[in-house]
Amino acid sequence: VQLVQSGAEVKEPGASVKVSCETSGYTFSGYYVNWVRQAPGQGLEWMGWINPNNGDTIYAQNFHGRVTMTRDTSIATAYMELSRLTSDDTAMYYCVRGGYCIDAVCPPGSYWGQGTLVAVSS
Amino acid sequence: QSVLTQPPSASGTPGQRVTISCSGSNSNIGRNAVNWYRQVPGTAPKLLISTNYQRPPGVPDRFSGSKSGTSASLAISGLQSEDETDYYCAAWDDSLNAYVFGPGTKVTVL
Repeated sequence: VQLVQSGAEVKEPGASVKVSCETSGYTFSGYYVNWVRQAPGQGLEWMGWINPNNGDTIYAQNFHGRVTMTRDTSIATAYMELSRLTSDDTAMYYCVRGGYCIDAVCPPGSYWGQGTLVAVSS
Repeated sequence: QSVLTQPPSASGTPGQRVTISCSGSNSNIGRNAVNWYRQVPGTAPKLLISTNYQRPPGVPDRFSGSKSGTSASLAISGLQSEDETDYYCAAWDDSLNAYVFGPGTKVTVL
């Protein structure tokens, strides 16, 4: 199982960023893909997930209206786009395969991408 | 500010047992499973404990998880120098409709 993310990005305030997460080694449609971010020196923050089987998403309230998670099943890749960036969005962004699910809750599991650093600066 | 509470730090000497607490409420830990993650700075986090007490393959049995009511705990027995890193608890929160992480606990091996 591998999740390989796109490279680091530098963006200006107000811009958008789209991070990709190319998966392999398992059935893409069978596991949710979570997105988790970590600002420098800070803790982990869950952003949301996408069900690759049907495209259903749940977003954390902190990101409502700014985040969009999509997927392309033909290439087993998930995407996370964050708009209206501010300096507070400077962070490492991780995609994570969903782990053991209970009652449709499929939290981050054992397989994480390597992370994508997004820096927001003018 | 997280809805889960963890002590900022914990410490022990090699071989000792260290316990990290994670306190929540009925909307998160009280109703949902707890996961624990370990993160070495500069690397991606790693799932350490799943659904309260399950160890994923490859996780040593020195690590154990438990849950009671609205609190959970991670215990590290036979503390080793390599255990000196950051640990996070996490659970689904029904009120927030979100997966929430604790603020993290830094373990120091004295």
